[in-house]
Amino acid sequence: ETGVTQSPTHLIKTRGQQVTLRCSSQSGHNTVSWYQQALGQGPQFIFQYYREEENGRGNFPPRFSGLQFPNYSSELNVNALELDDSALYLCASSITSGRETQYFGPGTRLLVL
Amino acid sequence: AQSVSQHNHHVILSEAASLELGCNYSYGGTVNLFWYVQYPGQHLQLLLKYFSGDPLVKGIKGFEAEFIKSKFSFNLRKPSVQWSDTAEYFCAVIPGGTYKYIFGTGTRLKVLA
Repeated sequence: ETGVTQSPTHLIKTRGQQVTLRCSSQSGHNTVSWYQQALGQGPQFIFQYYREEENGRGNFPPRFSGLQFPNYSSELNVNALELDDSALYLCASSITSGRETQYFGPGTRLLVL
Repeated sequence: AQSVSQHNHHVILSEAASLELGCNYSYGGTVNLFWYVQYPGQHLQLLLKYFSGDPLVKGIKGFEAEFIKSKFSFNLRKPSVQWSDTAEYFCAVIPGGTYKYIFGTGTRLKVLA
């Protein structure tokens, strides 16, 4: 176990709805990255938060947004859900930003109907 | 675009067979390299990593990987697999100047008892 936790474990939403996913980072880590893993694919980088600031973003539209809190936990928000947003969403924490080893949580499986 | 290729999507081996999973990346500069494993029902776990130094890296559970810079490769090996090695294996790269993991599509390994 890495100490990275995510909630909820599973979620079902309908198209057009909004969703918030949560991540608690490993103790001592100040950086959180979010990934989307579609079925049969590797994880795709969404964005990273370092000390409460967005620190970089992958090729995802603005309806994917996030927050990091003073305790370094994080949220991923997705607005106007589309069917293709159905995926496993992974959170990973690292001791700091930069080229560090990331430790992954169990993920939240989102199904959009 | 930077990418990571894992050419073996599905591999089936008998116990005690030797394993080699291929990983190639498309980036010419400095890289950090990782292999992660995802056992059934579990989260992504770090198997081994290469940052610098000896290009032959040893990880947990008897796995090793060799970084060959001239071939842009970081292949994973294990001399004798066990049934418990059944899992999905992901190669990941952090290209120099960035902090974003780029993952391959994964290789599903099934080991027959």
